[in-house]
Amino acid sequence: GQSLEQPSEVTAVEGAIVQINCTYQTSGFYGLSWYQQHDGGAPTFLSYNGLDGLEETGRFSSFLSRSDSYGYLLLQELQMKDSASYFCAVWAPDGANNLFFGTGTRLTVIP
Amino acid sequence: KAGVTQTPRYLIKTRGQQVTLSCSPISGHRSVSWYQQTPGQGLQFLFEYFSETQRNKGNFPGRFSGRQFSNSRSEMNVSTLELGDSALYLCASSMDRGNTGELFFGEGSRLTVL
Repeated sequence: GQSLEQPSEVTAVEGAIVQINCTYQTSGFYGLSWYQQHDGGAPTFLSYNGLDGLEETGRFSSFLSRSDSYGYLLLQELQMKDSASYFCAVWAPDGANNLFFGTGTRLTVIP
Repeated sequence: KAGVTQTPRYLIKTRGQQVTLSCSPISGHRSVSWYQQTPGQGLQFLFEYFSETQRNKGNFPGRFSGRQFSNSRSEMNVSTLELGDSALYLCASSMDRGNTGELFFGEGSRLTVL
């Protein structure tokens, strides 16, 4: 089966940097994705790591280490609007077009 | 282009009733998948349709069903509602399984079962 673990809550100060970790166990691995979801909103895609290393998209970066079954999302120059839930996700191992999501991390940005 | 549209956004039902939720994917997207989101269980995969065929199904009872029409619009149905079915039901669309892990989600239908 698939298992993805994240911290349930993280609090950080506006302007700071925060890292959200994700450890996974999966029978087949096809990359790690990250999604953001504001309260009452749709999950929106942030980034994807298919290979080891760092992917950067503006203020957001995502890292993957396949040997450690670990990844993280890094948010820099935090803004109040970054307060949201963040989910890591992996593709189904059998080639199916569906994702398995982590437990989610609620990020609260404080002034 | 227009995003994924789900209707209704909110609905209240009582135990034993049934409900039908609708999803209109992004134009050109042939894959539509459904997810249930609850505070306790997070986002869980229900099923995925592609070109009117169910390709995959998650671990949910048979009370949960769906279908997809020739225009890629999809509906899901839950029969004999239980209190535990109260959740946000999210629809996601894509061309097919891509290389980037990106699905496009709607804002969901929030179902409350009383």
